[in-house]
Amino acid sequence: AQTVTQSQPEMSVQEAETVTLSCTYDTSESDYYLFWYKQPPSRQMILVIRQEAYKQQNATENRFSVNFQKAAKSFSLKISDSQLGDAAMYFCAYLAPGAQKLVFGQGTRLTINP
Amino acid sequence: AAGVIQSPRHLIKEKRETATLKCYPIPRHDTVYWYQQGPGQDPQFLISFYEKMQSDKGSIPDRFSAQQFSDYHSELNMSSLELGDSALYFCASSLRSDTQYFGPGTRLTVL
Repeated sequence: AQTVTQSQPEMSVQEAETVTLSCTYDTSESDYYLFWYKQPPSRQMILVIRQEAYKQQNATENRFSVNFQKAAKSFSLKISDSQLGDAAMYFCAYLAPGAQKLVFGQGTRLTINP
Repeated sequence: AAGVIQSPRHLIKEKRETATLKCYPIPRHDTVYWYQQGPGQDPQFLISFYEKMQSDKGSIPDRFSAQQFSDYHSELNMSSLELGDSALYFCASSLRSDTQYFGPGTRLTVL
């Protein structure tokens, strides 16, 4: 069964600095999707970024980018120029090809210090 | 852009009562998913529907049932509620098995 591991329960960063959240996963598939979702205090689950495993280029969305290392099964999220509104729980998630079920990591709580 | 709509946003029930949660997917999305998120936990997959047919099933209790209607909205029916059912219930939708977009969630409290 696929598993997703986020080894950092909590992280903090100074406003305007850069922070990287780690995620590793286990799968025997060669093609799959990976996601980062953000859950602010409102508890809404907001899609941050999406990566298709067959694409070698790392996905980027404005200040958010990923470092996708397929061989190492690693999928880290880098947030540049951190803002107070980035404070949230961040979940890494895996979706197998043709599957319905998202498999989530345990989450990393990110605090932004002003 | 239109998002996933869930109703109600908050629901308080007594033990052994029944609850119905509703989900309206993003227009033209054909797949709906239900997840349960307990306090301090990650979301757990319950069930999904593709084109009104159940497509996958996770750790959904037998007391729960769900369906997707002809207009693609979905309902999650929960009977004989237990204290442990208190959680945030998310509905998500997608176009086929692609990126899932989540609704705001329904917070269920069982007293």
